[in-house]
Amino acid sequence: QIVLTQSPAIMSASLGERVTMTCTASSSVSSSYLHWYQQKPGSSPKLWIYSTSNLASGVPARFSGSGSGTSYSLTISSMEAEDAATYYCHQYHRSPPTFGGGTKLEIK
Amino acid sequence: QVQLQQSGAELVKPGASVKMSCKAFGYTFTTYPIEWMKQNHGKSLEWIGNFHPYNDDTKYNEKFKGKAKLTVEKSSSTVYLELSRLTSDDSAVYYCARKLGGYFDVWGAGTTVTVSS
Repeated sequence: QIVLTQSPAIMSASLGERVTMTCTASSSVSSSYLHWYQQKPGSSPKLWIYSTSNLASGVPARFSGSGSGTSYSLTISSMEAEDAATYYCHQYHRSPPTFGGGTKLEIK
Repeated sequence: QVQLQQSGAELVKPGASVKMSCKAFGYTFTTYPIEWMKQNHGKSLEWIGNFHPYNDDTKYNEKFKGKAKLTVEKSSSTVYLELSRLTSDDSAVYYCARKLGGYFDVWGAGTTVTVSS
């Protein structure tokens, strides 16, 4: 199965700071099948970015996604308090679909 | 509004089975597969399997074969996940989600399963 490794596992950012987190796949993933979810404590995951760079409905424009092959990233141009959450990458390029271990983003 | 409504928390004894539900609202039920994931407390997500209500096609993660069983009640737009021979390792939150293309666009609120004597 394709293993997704997210880094860092935990990070903190100040309000207004630019944030970047990465997702590395153990083998190549089509960019059409690499996605990101946001999860806050006590809530279910929410689709955040699909097919590498497409923002889900309602996701602020300060978020962006990029990447190809085995290396993908999620960037927040200017951290806001509501962005504190855990972000998971997900691939459905090859079955079984797998998720990364998550990056927990905290406010500094 | 598209929603997936999951059944309530379960407390079950070791060795028993549990069956939880995921009821779809707001779209044509047979159009999209329903996926199931397991999330241990504070940990990441594992894919259990999926069920396509259009043709009853079912796929399982090898890890959950023999543990999980997916069934459907089309009259109520509901997919069920049954877990058997429960141990403490099965204590987790179980989510259903709708698969749209290659991603999961709508998620249920989750069902918490606690295995304890």
